[in-house]
Amino acid sequence: DAGITQSPRHKVTETGTPVTLRCHQTENHRYMYWYRQDPGHGLRLIHYSYGVKDTDKGEVSDGYSVSRSKTEDFLLTLESATSSQTSVYFCAISGGGGNEQFFGPGTRLTVL
Amino acid sequence: DAKTTQPPSMDCAEGRAANLPCNHSTISGNEYVYWYRQIHSQGPQYIIHGLKNNETNEMASLIITEDRKSSTLILPHATLRDTAVYYCIVSPIVQGGKLIFGQGTELSVKP
Repeated sequence: DAGITQSPRHKVTETGTPVTLRCHQTENHRYMYWYRQDPGHGLRLIHYSYGVKDTDKGEVSDGYSVSRSKTEDFLLTLESATSSQTSVYFCAISGGGGNEQFFGPGTRLTVL
Repeated sequence: DAKTTQPPSMDCAEGRAANLPCNHSTISGNEYVYWYRQIHSQGPQYIIHGLKNNETNEMASLIITEDRKSSTLILPHATLRDTAVYYCIVSPIVQGGKLIFGQGTELSVKP
């Protein structure tokens, strides 16, 4: 399995608080992604990165920001969490010749 | 990006072949067909991909029709651990490209 870890794995927070999720890889892959998964919506891309300090928006980026200061770490920040951001968040990496993405174990976030 | 159509659910008997269909009638010439699966509560797992030729690896076989408008993922001897949601995705041939996940097919392998 690709070396991808996510932290924390579970988090409960209150509306209005900032939250940062971390994705860490040991594969030295160039591309990293953040998805969220909600019932009835499947996986939706939030943000992605194509290199250190190079990021771009996905289809559901409102309310989220990202940073990538090192190849191995991709951070997802909710500046002021809302209940609509309760979800399971998956990180993925890609670095091969095609579009194969390898996913982390996920972070379950609950915003009360 | 091209869209795909998959049946929402399928059943398969343990030990039998599971054949999961996918329709991608608007696929472009530069797009691959990718298959992923997601076992309950886990992150999606890459299975296989192909352009126009049939492909096989240790997990599955991918059969793509000659006109490339549909494909079938074959799990030759399904086990209970193959119970999962299977996603068929078409995506351009570009490193670091984005994947668009649909609803997939929920495969239940029964004893």
